[in-house]
Amino acid sequence: GAGVSQSPRYKVTKRGQDVALRCDPISGHVSLYWYRQALGQGPEFLTYFNYEAQQDKSGLPNDRFSAERPEGSISTLTIQRTEQRDSAMYRCASSFGGGNTGELFFGEGSRLTVL
Amino acid sequence: QQPVQSPQAVILREGEDAVINCSSSKALYSVHWYRQKHGEAPVFLMILLKGGEQKGHEKISASFNEKKQQSSLYLTASQLSYSGTYFCGTGPTDSWGKLQFGAGTQVVVTP
Repeated sequence: GAGVSQSPRYKVTKRGQDVALRCDPISGHVSLYWYRQALGQGPEFLTYFNYEAQQDKSGLPNDRFSAERPEGSISTLTIQRTEQRDSAMYRCASSFGGGNTGELFFGEGSRLTVL
Repeated sequence: QQPVQSPQAVILREGEDAVINCSSSKALYSVHWYRQKHGEAPVFLMILLKGGEQKGHEKISASFNEKKQQSSLYLTASQLSYSGTYFCGTGPTDSWGKLQFGAGTQVVVTP
């Protein structure tokens, strides 16, 4: 597709359930990032990949959060045993990677609500 | 530690100018500016890498002062389309996409 695609756009789940959020980056983009954005705040870094390798996961809040990008394209962010504090907009972004402009292309996001 | 943006919000009439500031307590290697319209994804405006270097996007320009550890975004002759929330992001040199964003500055341009 032309842009970064995320699904589902909206997810409502009950506390304790697992959720998986999907990101399909722009074709050919090497780097893929996951951010979380609370209402009225700037995006908060979670983790990123170059190709299929997870380069940095220092922003993942705890071990309930994990991410993968097995074939270097589509990525999945998984949250296990969801809690109400996990409610937020989860945004994926991709970039060309390497010595480029540094521009991130953000997706429309997946809004997670944990009841 | 996230950068600090000021002001939190600004209301302008079309054609007026505004300045948004972004400061950090840590040394800055790069400053990235994004604009987010309500209900949409953040969109890249520009990146500044060198001290004192200015970049431009339409009538939006920015400066980066390494010594003062701050960057400023200048909205000149604002247009209605400039409305949105502006975020500055700072990052390490080895990963330009791993950014710490400020809380944002909401800009409203009125006719």
